[in-house]
Amino acid sequence: GQQVMQIPQYQHVQEGEDFTTYCNSSTTLSNIQWYKQRPGGHPVFLIQLVKSGEVKKQKRLTFQFGEAKKNSSLHITATQTTDVGTYFCAGPAGANNLFFGTGTRLTVIP
Amino acid sequence: GAGVSQSPSNKVTEKGKDVELRCDPISGHTALYWYRQSLGQGLEFLIYFQGNSAPDKSGLPSDRFSAERTGGSVSTLTIQRTQQEDSAVYLCASSFRQGGGVYGYTFGSGTRLTVV
Repeated sequence: GQQVMQIPQYQHVQEGEDFTTYCNSSTTLSNIQWYKQRPGGHPVFLIQLVKSGEVKKQKRLTFQFGEAKKNSSLHITATQTTDVGTYFCAGPAGANNLFFGTGTRLTVIP
Repeated sequence: GAGVSQSPSNKVTEKGKDVELRCDPISGHTALYWYRQSLGQGLEFLIYFQGNSAPDKSGLPSDRFSAERTGGSVSTLTIQRTQQEDSAVYLCASSFRQGGGVYGYTFGSGTRLTVV
């Protein structure tokens, strides 16, 4: 069945340090989405990647989709306390829904 | 409305009771999804509605769970004879969906269900 694993499960960084979370799928993905969930909040859509090798940037966030479309990464440059939360990747599960990864919980120490 | 609205935001119920959770999606979003999230865990797919098509119920964990969507808009998730393992945050999401296009989900704030 569909497996989307994320590493690391937890990450603590000093404010100003960089952060990267990796998403790995057991199968080729037609697209991948990334979501952020603040503590006590709900997931919020960040971005979708579709093309092999695609790289997209949103301010300090850089998203990458692997050439084989089986892995993806999210890199945050110079973290801020507002970056705290859990970051989920999600890939299609069949035709009808998304399978969410296990998530990476980011803590930023001021 | 401007976002996905869920009610109630919190629900405490006794084991064995039935509960109904409501979701009001974004107007114009044809796809509606229910997920649940246990404390500190990821998101587990429950059910998907798309327009007037038959729903995809493949994620429902047992026959105690059911959902309907009336008029292609509001959806209700019903859990009968609740058990303690049903305690979780139930998240509803909607998205625009056209042809083979895939679009990001907009989630509601969720209903936190506690079964005591």
